[in-house]
Amino acid sequence: GAVVSQHPSWVICKSGTSVKIECRSLDFQATTMFWYRQFPKQSLMLMATSNEGSKATYEQGVEKDKFLINHASLTLSTLTVTSAHPEDSSFYICSASGNNLGVYQPQHFGDGTRLSIL
Amino acid sequence: AQTVTQSQPEMSVQEAETVTLSCTYDTSESDYYLFWYKQPPSRQMILVIRQEAYKQQNATENRFSVNFQKAAKSFSLKISDSQLGDAAMYFCAYRSSDAGGTSYGKLTFGQGTILTVHP
Repeated sequence: GAVVSQHPSWVICKSGTSVKIECRSLDFQATTMFWYRQFPKQSLMLMATSNEGSKATYEQGVEKDKFLINHASLTLSTLTVTSAHPEDSSFYICSASGNNLGVYQPQHFGDGTRLSIL
Repeated sequence: AQTVTQSQPEMSVQEAETVTLSCTYDTSESDYYLFWYKQPPSRQMILVIRQEAYKQQNATENRFSVNFQKAAKSFSLKISDSQLGDAAMYFCAYRSSDAGGTSYGKLTFGQGTILTVHP
């Protein structure tokens, strides 16, 4: 089945540094990728939607300059948390789907990245 | 905008028994998809079951079945013969069927229900 690889699975870094998270579709072309944030025992909150070759669409309240999303190819999207602070510590999950108009395309999830900012 | 509500923060069930998780949603669309996802402690998102709104028949996947009431906008999940491995957080999710929009595939999740299975 389709696989989405998310890397790294866990990262710890100092406050003020930038962290990049990668999301790759391994065996299909991911026209659209989604980035979610999840706090412990809470739901997944959509941060942004990225379509290959175009700017990401951010959800209300998500800082575009803080969470930089790049979707430069049909198999790779990256989320960069710039100047990370302890309040950015969370679990980040990506998902990806193809876009075959008129045909249902399932959404495939990465295994998530646990981000801890000291 | 669509909303999804899970009113049961926590549920528990004895092994081999049956449990039902509730979900309601709000939408003005007539065609859409509804999902139940399972998130075990590993935090992987695992698709449990999918329902297409235009289908009247309730979806089933082995021990998992749904009760889809379109008019009432209700979508409950029934787990039969519960197993210890069913313990997880369960999310109900909504997705528009509109294939032409820039947010194609966007999922709206409910708050989640933590399911505990007692041996």
